[in-house]
Amino acid sequence: NAGVTQTPKFRILKIGQSMTLQCTQDMNHNYMYWYRQDPGMGLKLIYYSVGAGITDKGEVPNGYNVSRSTTEDFPLRLELAAPSQTSVYFCASILSGADTQYFGPGTRLTVL
Amino acid sequence: DAKTTQPTSMDCAEGRAANLPCNHSTISGNEYVYWYRQIHSQGPQYIIHGLKNNETNEMASLIITEDRKSSTLILPHATLRDTAVYYCIVRVGGITQGGSEKLVFGKGTKLTVNP
Repeated sequence: NAGVTQTPKFRILKIGQSMTLQCTQDMNHNYMYWYRQDPGMGLKLIYYSVGAGITDKGEVPNGYNVSRSTTEDFPLRLELAAPSQTSVYFCASILSGADTQYFGPGTRLTVL
Repeated sequence: DAKTTQPTSMDCAEGRAANLPCNHSTISGNEYVYWYRQIHSQGPQYIIHGLKNNETNEMASLIITEDRKSSTLILPHATLRDTAVYYCIVRVGGITQGGSEKLVFGKGTKLTVNP
């Protein structure tokens, strides 16, 4: 298994541009998550999904959108990038009832 | 907000045991204590979890006080590769009956293992 994969690894955006961060897992996990991590801080939950077609807001959802059309994929969309969205973004997944949440390697995003 | 309190940083000599404390005084009866670590901005990695009994695996030991209001993660023989930020998290474990398995991260403890 590849586990949780994220693309791209790095990206620089200009203010107002849009982009999609990709996340894929091959473990057949039904739950998936997007977190962001600002320097020196813990991870904050942006959005999560408990299954295909079901998504819900986390702690910091403003400025982001998600979709979950398949079990494997959970893309995160930034529509109008702002400097405040400069952060490292982590995707994670877990099988309902399991103990271990698996994290991807992260996407480092800079908005200038 | 995170339901746990951890020291901001700790140091440990290589080869010695690292004992990382965590306070979770408002933990509920069905909440487990989980530990994750994050090495140099990589994605967090699961270490261990427990409900009320002490737990041990190949990575670490977890000691939970009898009143469950605090716990200690023990790395028995710390190495330089154990330098990381360690997060203590409480959440409902196992089958959550419609729960979302969400993790709430605090700032964690920055552990530095020195040669």
